[in-house]
Formats: sequence, C-alpha cells, structure tokens
Amino acid sequence: GNSVTQMEGPVTLSEEAFLTINCTYTATGYPSLFWYVQYPGEGLQLLLKATKADDKGSNKGFEATYRKETTSFHLEKGSVQVSDSAVYFCALTGTASKLTFGTGTRLQVTL
Amino acid sequence: GAGVSQSPSNKVTEKGKDVELRCDPISGHTALYWYRQSLGQGLEFLIYFQGNSAPDKSGLPSDRFSAERTGGSVSTLTIQRTQQEDSAVYLCASSLAGGGASGANVLTFGAGSRLTVL
Repeated sequence: GNSVTQMEGPVTLSEEAFLTINCTYTATGYPSLFWYVQYPGEGLQLLLKATKADDKGSNKGFEATYRKETTSFHLEKGSVQVSDSAVYFCALTGTASKLTFGTGTRLQVTL
Repeated sequence: GAGVSQSPSNKVTEKGKDVELRCDPISGHTALYWYRQSLGQGLEFLIYFQGNSAPDKSGLPSDRFSAERTGGSVSTLTIQRTQQEDSAVYLCASSLAGGGASGANVLTFGAGSRLTVL
C-alpha cells in the first residue's frame, strides 16, 4: 500500500537558516504529492503540491520537487522565519480516494 | 460556510460513554473525510464520503466507530463505548471532488475535535 516517511523532528533552527525536511514515499501508480502545515492552534492547511514527476511546488518561500527516481518530495526554504514554526506533513494521493500522510515534522525557529 | 466547521472543539468523556462529533463541510464540497491525529502519530484515515455514500471506510478502527452523512452535507462520527485509546484529535476535511491522482483532491481541514476519554 501507499506510505510516506518523513524525517523525525523536532527540527530547531535559527532565523534565516536553510531548511530541509526530507520526505520519501512508496506508492503504486503515479501519486500527487503534497505538503500540509499545521500552525499552533490552527487546522491543517495546504502549503504546496506537485502532480507529476519533476514538477516543483512552491508557496511562501517553500519549495519541493517531485522526484520520481528517488521517490522523494523534500521540503526546502532558503531562510526560515519565526513565523514558520509549525508541524509539516508530507502526503500523497494515488488512485485511491484518500490522502496518506507522514507522521509530521515539528519545526521550531528561534531568534 | 466559509470553512470546514467541527463541533465540539473539545470533548471530555468517561470511558464507556458514547460520543458524537460533527462536521459541517464547505458548501458544495461533495467529498468529506475523517482523520484521527493521536499524540506522536501521523494522520490516520478513518472514512471517506462521496455525497452520502461511504465508498471507503477501511480506516475505522473497530465496530464501535461509525459515521454518516446526510443531505450531502453534515457528517457525524459516532464512537460507542469509548476507550482511553480513542483519545485523539478528530479531523474532518472536505474537497470539491474525491478520488484520482489529478491533484484536484486538495483537502480543506477543520480545526478538529479534541476527544479525551478518562
């Protein structure tokens, strides 16, 4: 079945540092890939997505590239801010109707 | 409504009691999903509705869990004879259309219902 593996957190960075959160997946067919973010006290919201190989999703300075050869969708940001502190979830959807999520990675950005 | 609305936001109950959690999806969204988020766990899929039908209920953990959706809108998740391991945040999400890998399946989540079973 489908599965998503994320790096374990928490990830603690200083403001303006470079961020990478690793995500790899196992899926049949050609899934779409997503990053969702959960800010403290808020619901999950879509951060970015990519629907086919080599697509790059981007939003709010975050980027992730759909790499079929390495089955990966790593999240990156060049310069994080305190306001980026949140839990980040990698997810995929394939031919089934539901999203499969990773366990989430907590990011803490300090001044 | 403007977003996905869930109630109650917090529920504390005693072991053995029944609870009902409600989800009001975005108007016009035909697909509705229930997920469970436990401490230290990812998001666990429970059930998916397309309209009033549930083509995928594979994630319901036991027969104590059931869900229904009426009028293609509001959904209720019912947990009977609650156990302490049922304690979690129950998330509801909706989307314009379910199914497929087209990328159209962008889910909008509610803020969740936090259930604590004592």
